[in-house]
Amino acid sequence: GAVVSQHPSRVICKSGTSVKIECRSLDFQATTMFWYRQFPKQSLMLMATSNEGSKATYEQGVEKDKFLINHASLTLSTLTVTSAHPEDSSFYICSASLRDRNAEAFFGQGTRLTVV
Amino acid sequence: GESVGLHLPTLSVQEGDNSIINCAYSNSASDYFIWYKQESGKGPQFIIDIRSNMDKRQGQRVTVLLNKTVKHLSLQIAATQPGDSAVYFCAEKAGGGNKLTFGTGTQLKVEL
Repeated sequence: GAVVSQHPSRVICKSGTSVKIECRSLDFQATTMFWYRQFPKQSLMLMATSNEGSKATYEQGVEKDKFLINHASLTLSTLTVTSAHPEDSSFYICSASLRDRNAEAFFGQGTRLTVV
Repeated sequence: GESVGLHLPTLSVQEGDNSIINCAYSNSASDYFIWYKQESGKGPQFIIDIRSNMDKRQGQRVTVLLNKTVKHLSLQIAATQPGDSAVYFCAEKAGGGNKLTFGTGTQLKVEL
């Protein structure tokens, strides 16, 4: 399968600072990328869907000004957690696919964010 | 409504036994289903998928069964191995979009 690389794998930041997480499709052009959040022992919750060259579509309850998503190219999407607070500590996972609804989604390895 | 996970049920099996992991989905419009395996600290890994026009699909050591009547999906793992220990999620797609909705997840523990 295709490879999706997420960076960093772990990050610790201070409250009030911003953190950027990158998601790259290494061997295919991903027209659509998804960002998920996962709390310990819970399921993946979709935060937003981003299509290359257009604004991200956020799920209900997700603050778009707090979780900034940029999908500037067919191989890179970034999630920036702005003014991070301890409650933003979580496991963030991206996935990438072609726009075709039948296309398989390939997942990154996840980013463990800890806000202190 | 959508399936949202708040708890993580656990299934413990002996090495070599068969495992059956179940998933109930709520969206009757879902027409594509996928099982993922997630190891601790990693992203989900594709295992097997099935479309709604099928009721069974087999892979290597894994079988997925779909019962649309009761909106139930199961993953069967034959001859379970220690390396199968992980959390398993079912995910569904509804017609018209490519968003995945994940189920609650099941922790599979393989005992030696």
